[in-house]
Amino acid sequence: GAGVSQSPSNKVTEKGKDVELRCDPISGHTALYWYRQSLGQGLEFLIYFQGNSAPDKSGLPSDRFSAERTGGSVSTLTIQRTQQEDSAVYLCASSFRSDTQYFGPGTRLTVL
Amino acid sequence: QKEVEQDPGPLSVPEGAIVSLNCTYSNSAFQYFMWYRQYSRKGPELLMYTYSSGNKEDGRFTAQVDKSSKYISLFIRDSQPSDSATYLCAMTNTNAGKSTFGDGTTLTVKP
Repeated sequence: GAGVSQSPSNKVTEKGKDVELRCDPISGHTALYWYRQSLGQGLEFLIYFQGNSAPDKSGLPSDRFSAERTGGSVSTLTIQRTQQEDSAVYLCASSFRSDTQYFGPGTRLTVL
Repeated sequence: QKEVEQDPGPLSVPEGAIVSLNCTYSNSAFQYFMWYRQYSRKGPELLMYTYSSGNKEDGRFTAQVDKSSKYISLFIRDSQPSDSATYLCAMTNTNAGKSTFGDGTTLTVKP
């Protein structure tokens, strides 16, 4: 079946611009996660959605970052006024249970 | 100090070698332990999943969890060049949705 998909696969933007990253989770998965992975680093948790519960936003690095999940399915991560330190791969994952997560291929963001 | 510590490597071994990858952690609430494999420019893929202490084997891969020592391992037998990737450990407790990941160990298996 279809896995987690993310778009765009690559995004190059100028410092100060806003960007939107999209994630389509596996159908039927109730949980959705966003992570950030900088070059040579591990995964940094950003935000977690579970069903209709309030999202866990504890990993968002600043108020320039926000995410929403519409209809319990597709999610959009928005970064406002991008900075060069925002350059990273942004990974989305979904799960049916809270333990095993299935990852998308990521969006590689480059801020010039 | 990080909640999950993982030796970043890099680790380079000849084909056919036994590989041992390890993580230590500090949060005793962790109950589920996972290993992910990540090829270059790809998302992580789940390799092994274990609950609580013990061993789990799947083909050439064995995951081991020692909760008393807060230590987990992944063993790869008869390593192949196709095993060359970054291996990430991850763990979570039963009540939290998010997993905590190690920084990953980069493995190269040379033919």
